[in-house]
Amino acid sequence: EAGVTQSPTHLIKTRGQQATLRCSPISGHTSVYWYQQALGLGLQFLLWYDEGEERNRGNFPPRFSGRQFPNYSSELNVNALELEDSALYLCASSSKWRAALGQYFGPGTRLLVL
Amino acid sequence: GENVEQHPSTLSVQEGDSAVIKCTYSDSASNYFPWYKQELGKRPQLIIDIRSNVGEKKDQRIAVTLNKTAKHFSLHITETQPEDSAVYFCAASKGSGGSNYKLTFGKGTLLTVNP
Repeated sequence: EAGVTQSPTHLIKTRGQQATLRCSPISGHTSVYWYQQALGLGLQFLLWYDEGEERNRGNFPPRFSGRQFPNYSSELNVNALELEDSALYLCASSSKWRAALGQYFGPGTRLLVL
Repeated sequence: GENVEQHPSTLSVQEGDSAVIKCTYSDSASNYFPWYKQELGKRPQLIIDIRSNVGEKKDQRIAVTLNKTAKHFSLHITETQPEDSAVYFCAASKGSGGSNYKLTFGKGTLLTVNP
């Protein structure tokens, strides 16, 4: 079974630009979660999508947004990039019907804002 | 909202010794507690999890215990090996029904196993 995939692996942007990060969940998983892992701050919950709907969002400004497509893949968009947005962005997926298996993470996209 | 505290932040043990990492959570409605291992430059890997209707779960050299009354849970690694060296994260969630919910993570524990 293929794992969660993310693209790109690295992304370099300048302040004020927009970044788009992509995630493909494990086949059969309908839920996608986005987390930010910044140095010294651990893993912070950003967004949760299930069945194409945004189910919950963490304490991040509205310039962090995303969507989930009919094939359950997801996109995270970060507008008006700020230096402190530099972090590893991790996507995870889980199955609604096999909740005991938990959330599985992709390799992440490392975003650097200059 | 949920808050998860994790201790210690760093832990150094000799190969073959046991390692224990402890976490406390604040929301009594949390009912799912996974542990992740993250090696340098790699993705977090789910290594074990426990639900609130179970007090202890074991998988080979790793075990997790949960005390719902005290709202704390612990990861125990026995017979540690150098390849156990990594950052370990605990997390808590209010997964309900058939779906998990967002995870709230502890800040992580850097475990170093010295040969």
